[in-house]
Amino acid sequence: AQKITQTQPGMFVQEKEAVTLDCTYDTSDQSYGLFWYKQPSSGEMIFLIYQGSYDEQNATEGRYSLNFQKARKSANLVISASQLGDSAMYFCAMRADPFKNYGGSQGNLIFGKGTKLSVKP
Amino acid sequence: GAVVSQHPSRVICKSGTSVKIECRSLDFQATTMFWYRQFPKQSLMLMATSNEGSKATYEQGVEKDKFLINHASLTLSTLTVTSAHPEDSSFYICSARARGQHEQYFGPGTRLTVT
Repeated sequence: AQKITQTQPGMFVQEKEAVTLDCTYDTSDQSYGLFWYKQPSSGEMIFLIYQGSYDEQNATEGRYSLNFQKARKSANLVISASQLGDSAMYFCAMRADPFKNYGGSQGNLIFGKGTKLSVKP
Repeated sequence: GAVVSQHPSRVICKSGTSVKIECRSLDFQATTMFWYRQFPKQSLMLMATSNEGSKATYEQGVEKDKFLINHASLTLSTLTVTSAHPEDSSFYICSARARGQHEQYFGPGTRLTVT
């Protein structure tokens, strides 16, 4: 079974500093995808970044980067130069074989419990 | 990124009535749509998965007769909460994915309050 663990219920960071949000995962699948989503207080889920299990390079998207350590089964999100607008809940998620079109719920994202990030001015 | 809309964004209904929530993919064909439920300060819990033109697959513990899901086209899925009770009050979020794509896009959510 797949499992995502986010051990930090809440994090504080000073504006303009970098912050790392932890995520570890457990899966027996050989091919899988890792995702990070941001959920502000409005409730919408905003896709941030994706890392495929066979990607050798760490994914980067603007100020977001994913520190992927496959042997440790970790996929930490790094936000550089934090902004006040980064304050939100952040969810790590995983899905097996992201390019395969599963029937049923096998293609579903499994979410962690989330980390609430607060950026201080 | 792709856009997924949900309607309504908020709804208040009386106990015993039914509520329909629509989820639309605006600029892509969603071969698979997912319905999630989120309680305050908790993570998203998958309720069901629907593939266009076929019956939805429900997660364990989710009553299929209570939460009716229809995925009639490649751009529209609906969730109907039948005979709603106060304990059904929650934040419902839909998500959509196109065939062969890894990205999964979420709607803005619907906050349901049953009085």
